[in-house]
Amino acid sequence: QVQLQESGPGLVKPSETLSLSCTVSGDSIINYYWSWIRQPPGKGLEWIGYIYYSGSTNYNPSLKSRVTMSIDTSKNQFSLKLSSVTAADTAVYYCARDRGDSSGWYAGAGRFDYWGQGTLVTVSS
Amino acid sequence: QSALTQPASVSGSPGQSITISCTGTSSDVGTYNLVSWYQQHPGKVPKLMIYEGSKRPSGVSNRFSGSKSGNTASLTISGLQAEDEADYYCCSYVSSSTLVFGGGTKLTVL
Repeated sequence: QVQLQESGPGLVKPSETLSLSCTVSGDSIINYYWSWIRQPPGKGLEWIGYIYYSGSTNYNPSLKSRVTMSIDTSKNQFSLKLSSVTAADTAVYYCARDRGDSSGWYAGAGRFDYWGQGTLVTVSS
Repeated sequence: QSALTQPASVSGSPGQSITISCTGTSSDVGTYNLVSWYQQHPGKVPKLMIYEGSKRPSGVSNRFSGSKSGNTASLTISGLQAEDEADYYCCSYVSSSTLVFGGGTKLTVL
């Protein structure tokens, strides 16, 4: 059974950098796209970006200037950094596996079949 | 990229059918058959219900079905049950190789 587990500080100060990791167990991190998705309290889901096992990335244009994702295949782990955070970045952050599309043609098809439990990150001084 | 447009809420009685719409543009829903739908109960992790527009993952009830017409995708739930009460989100691939979610729809089973 594939499991994803987010880890990182639950409280970040304004203007600082939010850093989270997601550890994958039960399957290899290779050959899949791995996304970060967030959900502000009481609001909807927002896709932050994805990283492929090769290290290639693609980010939400609205967050692109502040987002960096990395991957460590030896640890079966990938990470998110979001810089210059404000209160608007307060949210539950999920990591998720994107199974891709059936043809294998498209990168990151939005087929999120496994999710982490989510971790609440609060931005406050 | 703008969020896909979903109705804020829909409701139906047990046994009835409801449809949730998800309207995008020719840059996302209208061009790609890569719309997925997620169900999220309060305090829970989203669950994949439909992918590639109309395909159901193993274990998802066949009461859930997906379709598309033009720039609008739809999720239909037939034989509505109390356990279907939840928030539903659509998600689409975008031409820039990114993804975008809808704003979410709260389904109430009367």
